[in-house]
Amino acid sequence: DAKTTQPPSMDCAEGRAANLPCNHSTISGNEYVYWYRQIHSQGPQYIIHGLKNNETNEMASLIITEDRKSSTLILPHATLRDTAVYYCIVRGYGGSQGNLIFGKGTKLSVKP
Amino acid sequence: KAGVTQTPRYLIKTRGQQVTLSCSPISGHRSVSWYQQTPGQGLQFLFEYFSETQRNKGNFPGRFSGRQFSNSRSEMNVSTLELGDSALYLCASSVNYYDSRTEAFFGQGTRLTVV
Repeated sequence: DAKTTQPPSMDCAEGRAANLPCNHSTISGNEYVYWYRQIHSQGPQYIIHGLKNNETNEMASLIITEDRKSSTLILPHATLRDTAVYYCIVRGYGGSQGNLIFGKGTKLSVKP
Repeated sequence: KAGVTQTPRYLIKTRGQQVTLSCSPISGHRSVSWYQQTPGQGLQFLFEYFSETQRNKGNFPGRFSGRQFSNSRSEMNVSTLELGDSALYLCASSVNYYDSRTEAFFGQGTRLTVV
């Protein structure tokens, strides 16, 4: 089973920041938080990942709370093309812990 | 740098037949994982290969099998197809299978329809 909890859906106005929350209260010390998104019927696209520090790349920012029990993915200026299902995944080290276990994700709808 | 390539993109098969799907990972990636995505069950892990050896396997029947070649390309096979095998089959590649610090990249998938 997925080790994360996400809201099933969210709306965001085009041009505004989209903040997608994720709870992972049972995360252990060596597990990373990964975010992927899937646009309808395409393969999941890697967005960002982190261990405990905040991370930023050209797509998004990842904010992880100090106790690591939750995180937020931030798309700073959402566009219509960001409409997708966003998956938050906790990934461990090696063996079956290294698999990507997908939950149901959050369906983000960016509206004009 | 080319991404993960899956062939074919679309496939229609009849119940009872078998099917082979192919995945070419990103150059330099040695780990290949396979996933099945259906509307009812979502994205589910099938198996993972690294250095031509299956390292992990998900909870799927023995009709689902795979292999990896020395050039890291991978194939998965489904025998005795059932209607419920209709799904999007996704392949992901990463540099190593045991390093959770490195991301996995997905192909566009093969859409299998069983009639």
